[in-house]
Amino acid sequence: AQSVSQHNHHVILSEAASLELGCNYSYGGTVNLFWYVQYPGQHLQLLLKYFSGDPLVKGIKGFEAEFIKSKFSFNLRKPSVQWSDTAEYFCAVNPQDSGAGSYQLTFGKGTKLSVIP
Amino acid sequence: NAGVTQTPKFRILKIGQSMTLQCAQDMNHNYMYWYRQDPGMGLKLIYYSVGAGITDKGEVPNGYNVSRSTTEDFPLRLELAAPSQTSVYFCASSHRDSIAREQYFGPGTRLTVT
Repeated sequence: AQSVSQHNHHVILSEAASLELGCNYSYGGTVNLFWYVQYPGQHLQLLLKYFSGDPLVKGIKGFEAEFIKSKFSFNLRKPSVQWSDTAEYFCAVNPQDSGAGSYQLTFGKGTKLSVIP
Repeated sequence: NAGVTQTPKFRILKIGQSMTLQCAQDMNHNYMYWYRQDPGMGLKLIYYSVGAGITDKGEVPNGYNVSRSTTEDFPLRLELAAPSQTSVYFCASSHRDSIAREQYFGPGTRLTVT
């Protein structure tokens, strides 16, 4: 079964600092990859996704992520964070070749980001 | 287009009580899911459904039941509530024909069992 590791439990940054959140997955086949964001008290929202093509994907609110297949990684980046980016970020993986009922997502444990004004 | 809706938003149950968490989507999505979210643990899949009348267990199904009589609705039933079921429950849905297979989440139900 696949698994997802997010390396940082809690990241604290000042506004305008650059952000990189690590995500590694364990699965030998082809995968779809996602980053979701959960603002305090809210539900999960899709930040960006990768399913094929250019390994550098751009999402909403200036976020981007790079899929490095050889490293089984899908790290999230943002060049300059804002206070409004304070949230919890979840990486998730879906194997493409699992057949019917295979749209399940396996989530990492999440990384809390606190941005200090 | 309301997306994925869940009711109630909050609920407190006593041990041994039962309840049904409601979930509905109006996006004509084939696939629906129930997750629970516990602090520091991410989301764990409880049950999922690939269409009306078809459900299957996820990673943590014990203590829960589901049904899918229509495409739109996917209720989650807790028969004998236990403190270990204190959690935030999220319902999600996705379209079978979506290449990326992204899931759309509801606002969640915060359940406390005391």
